[in-house]
Amino acid sequence: QVQLQESGPGLVKPSGTLSLTCAVSGGSISSSNWWSWVRQPPGKGLEWIGEIYHSGSTNYNPSLKSRVTISVDKSKNQFSLKLSSVTAADTAVYYCARDRIVPAHAFDIWGQGTMVTVSS
Amino acid sequence: EIVLTQSPGTLSLSPGERATLSCRASQSVSSSYLAWYQQKPGQAPRLLIYGASSRATGIPDRFSGSGSGTDFTLTISRLEPEDFAVYYCQQYGSSPRFGGGTKVEIK
Repeated sequence: QVQLQESGPGLVKPSGTLSLTCAVSGGSISSSNWWSWVRQPPGKGLEWIGEIYHSGSTNYNPSLKSRVTISVDKSKNQFSLKLSSVTAADTAVYYCARDRIVPAHAFDIWGQGTMVTVSS
Repeated sequence: EIVLTQSPGTLSLSPGERATLSCRASQSVSSSYLAWYQQKPGQAPRLLIYGASSRATGIPDRFSGSGSGTDFTLTISRLEPEDFAVYYCQQYGSSPRFGGGTKVEIK
């Protein structure tokens, strides 16, 4: 049973860089799936941030692309998110999720989420 | 960029009633790329439906998905107390996007 667990600072200063890691357990990050980050501001809907394949290939939300970097560490079976130049608008619960490709694209496994607040 | 519009924003129903949730896309979406999720307060979303009409593992058969092109529907045949939650549709195109959500609340 694959499980995902997010970790990282819960508080980031404005203009700083948000850094989170998602540890994958019960399965290999090198399986035939993409791995995504999704966020949800308080009281609002879901926003896809970006995704990575174990090869290192990435796709990003165009609205965030200039500030986002997603990387993978196969040796640690985890992937990471960096979001630069953060503002209060980046305050949200950040989820990592498995983007299963077969039999159809869907985010079938999610981490519990981690709240990140941008504040001085 | 495909935009998903969900309606209604809120659905007030009683347990045992039928819920019909709509998801309309601004452009045609491949059925293979349309999914539905349920989210309860303080919890991560849970995959309900993928490929527009296939139930995910462990999802009760009172949940069903249908539709094609630009119009998709999630139906809950008889609402159970645990079904009151927010539901999101999602398309996986060049950039995955979620709809704004429909809240199903107890009447």
